[in-house]
Amino acid sequence: GENVEQHPSTLSVQEGDSAVIKCTYSDSASNYFPWYKQELGKRPQLIIDIRSNVGEKKDQRIAVTLNKTAKHFSLHITETQPEDSAVYFCAASRKSNFGNEKLTFGTGTRLTIIP
Amino acid sequence: NAGVTQTPKFRVLKTGQSMTLLCAQDMNHEYMYWYRQDPGMGLRLIHYSVGEGTTAKGEVPDGYNVSRLKKQNFLLGLESAAPSQTSVYFCASSYLAGGLNNEQFFGPGTRLTVL
Repeated sequence: GENVEQHPSTLSVQEGDSAVIKCTYSDSASNYFPWYKQELGKRPQLIIDIRSNVGEKKDQRIAVTLNKTAKHFSLHITETQPEDSAVYFCAASRKSNFGNEKLTFGTGTRLTIIP
Repeated sequence: NAGVTQTPKFRVLKTGQSMTLLCAQDMNHEYMYWYRQDPGMGLRLIHYSVGEGTTAKGEVPDGYNVSRLKKQNFLLGLESAAPSQTSVYFCASSYLAGGLNNEQFFGPGTRLTVL
């Protein structure tokens, strides 16, 4: 089955600086890569996703890049703000007869923004 | 819309007791999921369902059973609880668009402690 590794497990950055979180996956057939943000005590929420037919996707201060050859994808947050402090999870899935129904999650990165 | 709801929010069980966690969604989503979240291990899929009357095993199914008798509900059962099942349990649902799954919407979680 799919294996997703995520690094680093913790990350502290000064407010206003950029943060980068990296994930690698093992299944070359994986074609959908979402990122979820989980604030303390809250539920995970999707912040951005990318499918394998594109190499990069941006949404305001966040962006995701995908390197299919190397089987890794990254989350980039620019101009970080205190509200970016949370745990971030990457995930991967492959298309099956029912769609990309199963996600395999990474172990999470705890991002702390230092004011 | 209430989105995805879970009952109960907290529960303490003794080893060997049984219980059922209820997940309900009012978004008419086809797919529903049960995850467990443990420190340092991310979100791990227990069981999932691709439609009413269907269930399938995820990554960590042992010790759990599920049922999806109605499209809006997904039940997770623990027949004989063990301390290793102490965890936070999240339910999620998602929809198909263009033959592909999209965002998974998570419930607020159930914190279960097994003594």
